[in-house]
This record gives sequence, C-alpha cells and structure tokens, in this order.
Amino acid sequence: GAVVSQHPSRVICKSGTSVKIECRSLDFQATTMFWYRQFPKQSLMLMATSNEGSKATYEQGVEKDKFLINHASLTLSTLTVTSAHPEDSSFYICSALNSGNTIYFGEGSWLTVV
Amino acid sequence: DAKTTQPPSMDCAEGRAANLPCNHSTISGNEYVYWYRQIHSQGPQYIIHGLKNNETNEMASLIITEDRKSSTLILPHATLRDTAVYYCIALHRYGQNFVFGPGTRLSVLP
Repeated sequence: GAVVSQHPSRVICKSGTSVKIECRSLDFQATTMFWYRQFPKQSLMLMATSNEGSKATYEQGVEKDKFLINHASLTLSTLTVTSAHPEDSSFYICSALNSGNTIYFGEGSWLTVV
Repeated sequence: DAKTTQPPSMDCAEGRAANLPCNHSTISGNEYVYWYRQIHSQGPQYIIHGLKNNETNEMASLIITEDRKSSTLILPHATLRDTAVYYCIALHRYGQNFVFGPGTRLSVLP
C-alpha cells in the first residue's frame, strides 16, 4: 500500500482562489518532503524542498509567495496554490524521505483551474 | 549529481524480459543508481537502487557494469501493467533532490 498519501487526488477550483494539497507520510516520519509539478507528457520538475520546522527551499523560478509550503509536522506537508490561474493547472506530486534514505512518492494531485 | 541518459522509448513483448539501459558515465563513487517508474497519472513508484553490486528484489533486477558507467534494469517477465515511463537517476546516497530526466517509455505489447 501507499506509504505517502496525497489529498485531494483531484481538485477543480475557480481562477483567483486558493487551493491546498496535503502530503502525508503514513508509517514513517519525514523531516524532508519534496514538491514536484508535472505538465502533460513532460517529466517531473522539482518545485521546492519542505523542511519540518523551517522554511521551504524553492527552486529557481518558483514563486514562493504563490506556492506556499508548510511542513507542519513530521508526517504532513501542505502546498497551497494561491490566486490560482489556469496556467497553474498541473499534476502536483510530493515525496518524502524515510530514515533509510529511500524516497517515496505520493499518488499525485490533479489541479484544474477554471 | 551525475547526468543519466536513457532511450526515449522501448517495446517489449508480454512475458518476455524487458531490459532497460541507462548510461551514467560521469557517476561518482558515492552516487547510487536509483530506478523509479511512473504509470500514467500516478506518482513515481520506487523499483530498486544499487551502488556497484547487482541487486534483485521482487520487482526487478539491477545490473551495474564494473566501471559503473552504465546499468540495466531487468523486468524478468514483463506484463501489460509494466507499461510506464522508467526513470534512472544517479544520486548521492544522502542526496535528496531527485532530478528527473525524460526517462524511457516502455510499452509492453500483448
């Protein structure tokens, strides 16, 4: 079964609104989680590294004020897409690092902004 | 982290072994080779990883050349459900930032 869970799996929101995606490690604690974005027929692109108890580290070109990341606990990281626009529609995927240094990915969340 | 190159696509007959190559000629001594796969509309799934010895688990085998400049992922009896994009990534053992290339799109044909 899944060891990293994302919720929701699919979400549709109106342009200009904000939407939150949760990423949970189910049976291990993860001090570090990662957020990726994937457009159709393209590979995954790392957006940011989420660290429990500290600020996220964003990749170049990713707006930190638009993609808010909160690593609230050792099993939960959230990504909030603020003031969403249609171009933010994408597949968002998180991953978490376990104590054995293996990275597990969530099932992904499809965001459609209309 | 070392760059990896993979063929963009491969076909394999159902029931046959699928051998997916990966070139990582600039890999350093402390970088592992990781394999993940992504089935359409799902998150990547961990398959296997190794440093220099060949590895085998319930999903696949990983063969790493002696000079570590290339490796092959082997799915011994491919099924239709193995159709996916397979990613080979070279990463320091305690590195965390997976950089995904385009991968190999494996199509298992009936």
